[in-house]
Amino acid sequence: GNSVTQMEGPVTLSEEAFLTINCTYTATGYPSLFWYVQYPGEGLQLLLKATKADDKGSNKGFEATYRKETTSFHLEKGSVQVSDSAVYFCALKDQTGANNLFFGTGTRLTVIP
Amino acid sequence: KAGVTQTPRYLIKTRGQQVTLSCSPISGHRSVSWYQQTPGQGLQFLFEYFSETQRNKGNFPGRFSGRQFSNSRSEMNVSTLELGDSALYLCASTLSGEYGYTFGSGTRLTVV
Repeated sequence: GNSVTQMEGPVTLSEEAFLTINCTYTATGYPSLFWYVQYPGEGLQLLLKATKADDKGSNKGFEATYRKETTSFHLEKGSVQVSDSAVYFCALKDQTGANNLFFGTGTRLTVIP
Repeated sequence: KAGVTQTPRYLIKTRGQQVTLSCSPISGHRSVSWYQQTPGQGLQFLFEYFSETQRNKGNFPGRFSGRQFSNSRSEMNVSTLELGDSALYLCASTLSGEYGYTFGSGTRLTVV
């Protein structure tokens, strides 16, 4: 079946530090992969996506590369800001017609000044 | 363009009651999905509607139901509420799943 395994949190970093949040997945075929971010009291916002192997999704300084050989989609940012403090979710949509997402457990990031 | 709108934002209900939540998708999006978010279980898929038909369903009891109207607005209903139904209920709409889903801000349901 489909599943997403995400790095356990919480993660606390100083401002301008490098961020990596690991995400691996299990799925048949070629799923689409996503990173969503959730700020306190809010719903989920799409951060970036990749729909095929070797695609790199990027947005607001965040990047993630779809690695089929390692079934991974790790999130990275070179220099985090206090405003990046949030919960980050890795998710996949399988290649069937079903429009539902499978989510990881989420990683809480806190950036301190 | 307007985002996904969920109403109400907060609800407090008593065990045994029923509740209806509403979701208005982005204009033109015909697929609407519902998710339950709890600290213990994380984000779990409830069901998806497309053109007024339930296309996919997660592993939830029959107390959880939904529907979609001809204007793509969707409602979900939970009957005979239990304490464990306390959660943030999120609605998402999409044109095509591969291109991402837009989520609403959610309805926070508390069952007492």
